[in-house]
Amino acid sequence: GAGVSQSPRYKVTKRGQDVALRCDPISGHVSLYWYRQALGQGPEFLTYFNYEAQQDKSGLPNDRFSAERPEGSISTLTIQRTEQRDSAMYRCASGQLVGDKAFGPGTRLTVL
Amino acid sequence: AQSVSQHNHHVILSEAASLELGCNYSYGGTVNLFWYVQYPGQHLQLLLKYFSGDPLVKGIKGFEAEFIKSKFSFNLRKPSVQWSDTAEYFCAVTPNSGGYQKVTFGTGTKLQVIP
Repeated sequence: GAGVSQSPRYKVTKRGQDVALRCDPISGHVSLYWYRQALGQGPEFLTYFNYEAQQDKSGLPNDRFSAERPEGSISTLTIQRTEQRDSAMYRCASGQLVGDKAFGPGTRLTVL
Repeated sequence: AQSVSQHNHHVILSEAASLELGCNYSYGGTVNLFWYVQYPGQHLQLLLKYFSGDPLVKGIKGFEAEFIKSKFSFNLRKPSVQWSDTAEYFCAVTPNSGGYQKVTFGTGTKLQVIP
């Protein structure tokens, strides 16, 4: 498609399980970003990539969170040993090196 | 590190009223500024952006924003709102420094327009 896509759109998991969230950016976009948005809050930066290189992961809350973009296109955000506080909307965005970003629809993660 | 403040968390207006949503940022260097909108059930969309040049920026759907460097502000305005403008609005900033493009968002303002 023409836009950023994310899958799954909704994920319900039990505490302690690992989850993998996928982002498929707009074709040709160099930069890819992950954000987390809690209810009533703005998107909170997690990490971003230029091509396959992870440029900044300062927003990842702890070592249970990791992200990769091995071929400079699709990216996966993995959360290990999920906790209830991880419940949020996880948003992916892509763009060129400079300029605005296009956002995907997000993955709503619920940890029971 | 940069930060963004949106002072109005929830705004309720009648149709045809004028709108101004406040946004202030903090960052020591030059910045790029954005307003994003999220309509109910939809994902974030770019409303307008400022990179350089004329500090008065016009976006889609009759929105505009003015960058006032001395005040570190980028307020969003619309002369006459419509019911369809009901949405959540996010101000965002990124350093204008080469390839470093970490975008920082404000907490958002929910706008409710009453018919």
